[in-house]
Amino acid sequence: DAGVIQSPRHEVTEMGQEVTLRCKPISGHDYLFWYRQTMMRGLELLIYFNNNVPIDDSGMPEDRFSAKMPNASFSTLKIQPSEPRDSAVYFCASSNGTSVISYEQYFGPGTRLTVT
Amino acid sequence: KNQVEQSPQSLIILEGKNCTLQCNYTVSPFSNLRWYKQDTGRGPVSLTIMTFSENTKSNGRYTATLDADTKQSSLHITASQLSDSASYICVVSARGNFGNEKLTFGTGTRLTIIP
Repeated sequence: DAGVIQSPRHEVTEMGQEVTLRCKPISGHDYLFWYRQTMMRGLELLIYFNNNVPIDDSGMPEDRFSAKMPNASFSTLKIQPSEPRDSAVYFCASSNGTSVISYEQYFGPGTRLTVT
Repeated sequence: KNQVEQSPQSLIILEGKNCTLQCNYTVSPFSNLRWYKQDTGRGPVSLTIMTFSENTKSNGRYTATLDADTKQSSLHITASQLSDSASYICVVSARGNFGNEKLTFGTGTRLTIIP
């Protein structure tokens, strides 16, 4: 398996533009997670899906952020409009469950977003 | 408020030496604690996971300890290698109201091994 696939790997955009990050989870995994990582705040869980349904979006910072999972093999995280403070590395991860005991979360390589 | 604090923030040691990283947490109700290793430019990879009843767990040269009473965990690396240079993140899981789990992440310890 190729693991979790994220695209693009790097994104540079201007403030106010729409940004869409993409993720393909590992085949057969029914949970998908979106994380954001910054030097100041470390790794933060934004939202996670189970069987394509959003379960917990309490980590989404504000209405400018939205995430969708139209099918089991694809998810997007959209920022509209983007702001410089959104600059971070965004990780997608997938697993067979949220229980860390039984189910390993596999992380993708991340998308480094820079908003100027 | 659930919190995870890691120390030191950064650490530099010589190749072959041992080191210990610390994690203190205030997470309730506690479910489990995991240590992740994150190489530069890559996603985190799980090293160990420990539940309430486990005191020690090893993964090769990595040994994690957990004291649920004092809410402290440590990650000990034996005979360090250059490839151990990475960030080590402590993640504590709290049991949620609906059977799910809420994760709280530490900000990590940046470990550098020098030859």
